[in-house]
Amino acid sequence: AQSVAQPEDQVNVAEGNPLTVKCTYSVSGNPYLFWYVQYPNRGLQFLLKYITGDNLVKGSYGFEAEFNKSQTSFHLKKPSALVSDSALYFCAVRDGGYNKLIFGAGTRLAVHP
Amino acid sequence: EAGVAQSPRYKIIEKRQSVAFWCNPISGHATLYWYQQILGQGPKLLIQFQNNGVVDDSQLPKDRFSAERLKGVDSTLKIQPAKLEDSAVYLCASSLKTARVGFAYEQYFGPGTRLTVT
Repeated sequence: AQSVAQPEDQVNVAEGNPLTVKCTYSVSGNPYLFWYVQYPNRGLQFLLKYITGDNLVKGSYGFEAEFNKSQTSFHLKKPSALVSDSALYFCAVRDGGYNKLIFGAGTRLAVHP
Repeated sequence: EAGVAQSPRYKIIEKRQSVAFWCNPISGHATLYWYQQILGQGPKLLIQFQNNGVVDDSQLPKDRFSAERLKGVDSTLKIQPAKLEDSAVYLCASSLKTARVGFAYEQYFGPGTRLTVT
């Protein structure tokens, strides 16, 4: 079965510093990977996805993610964090052919001024 | 473009009562999903519709949960009777289509309904 793991419950970073939110995956076949962000009292918002091609995927709000097949990782990154980036981040993998998503437990990002 | 609409936003019921949630997907989106998000966990798919047909309901507790998508647009998720462990946020999402080889459609989520069962 497909799965993703987010090893950190919380990541703390100072505003202006680079940030990384980690995700590892376990799939049979080619992985279809996603990152979503959830702000308080709001639904999940799509950030980016990896299907195939370039290992560095660029997404919304200046985020990018690096796909690493040998390490089975798909870490979310941003060169310079903003306080407004503080939110809950979910990594997800598509399971099967019907677009079903399996989500990780989430990582809370706290960006301090 | 209007997003996914859900109502109500909050609901508090006692155990053994029934409750229903409503979702209106983005116009033109053929696929609709209901997820359950328990506090501290990622969303878990309960049921997925392609137009008005069920594609996946493998994790839907069918003894108490039911869902329908009439005319392939709006959808309703019902719980009867509710249990304490049903306390969660229920998220509705939609995507343009289901999937095809070499491509994945983004899912667009509504704001969710926070259910508290006492």
